[in-house]
Amino acid sequence: EDQVTQSPEALRLQEGESSSLNCSYTVSGLRGLFWYRQDPGKGPEFLFTLYSAGEEKEKERLKATLTKKESFLHITAPKPEDSATYLCAVRSNAGGTSYGKLTFGQGTILTVHP
Amino acid sequence: NAGVMQNPRHLVRRRGQEARLRCSPMKGHSHVYWYRQLPEEGLKFMVYLQKENIIDESGMPKERFSAEFPKEGPSILRIQQVVRGDSAAYFCASSPGQGGSNQPQHFGDGTRLSIL
Repeated sequence: EDQVTQSPEALRLQEGESSSLNCSYTVSGLRGLFWYRQDPGKGPEFLFTLYSAGEEKEKERLKATLTKKESFLHITAPKPEDSATYLCAVRSNAGGTSYGKLTFGQGTILTVHP
Repeated sequence: NAGVMQNPRHLVRRRGQEARLRCSPMKGHSHVYWYRQLPEEGLKFMVYLQKENIIDESGMPKERFSAEFPKEGPSILRIQQVVRGDSAAYFCASSPGQGGSNQPQHFGDGTRLSIL
């Protein structure tokens, strides 16, 4: 069974203080690792998809990287509007041929103080 | 707004009643997924549907829960004889292609179900 563990559970940063969020995964055949952002009372908002070790994606102050066992979401010079819960999810061969299922981690609650 | 639309946003039911949650996918998307987020827990996969077909229901409880995605109209998640433990946020997602394609799932803002 696929497993996704995110750390830390919560992270408090000062505006401009860069940091990283971790997503460790155990899957039988990775078919994609996804990062989402979720604001209170809203659905997850898609950020990135990574498929193979060594891959990197960037969007504004966010950069996602992938190894064979974990992914990092790096936040450079964060602003208060970056405060949200960041979710990591994997799609794997464990779902048979449908590949529809995403397995999510518990999320990291990021708070950025001005 | 061309995003995934879910309604109602909030639904209150008494124990034993039925709950119907609706999801209209993004325009051009033919694949729908339902997830449940229990308090203090992460998102859990429930079911994956294409038009008129259930592709994967491995996350659906065996009893009281059913889902459909008819040829016309929204996808429906139906919970019969609700119990307190069904209280959760139910999220729908959609994608244009099959789950294995290079297509992320895009989520709606969910239905918050409360059971009295």
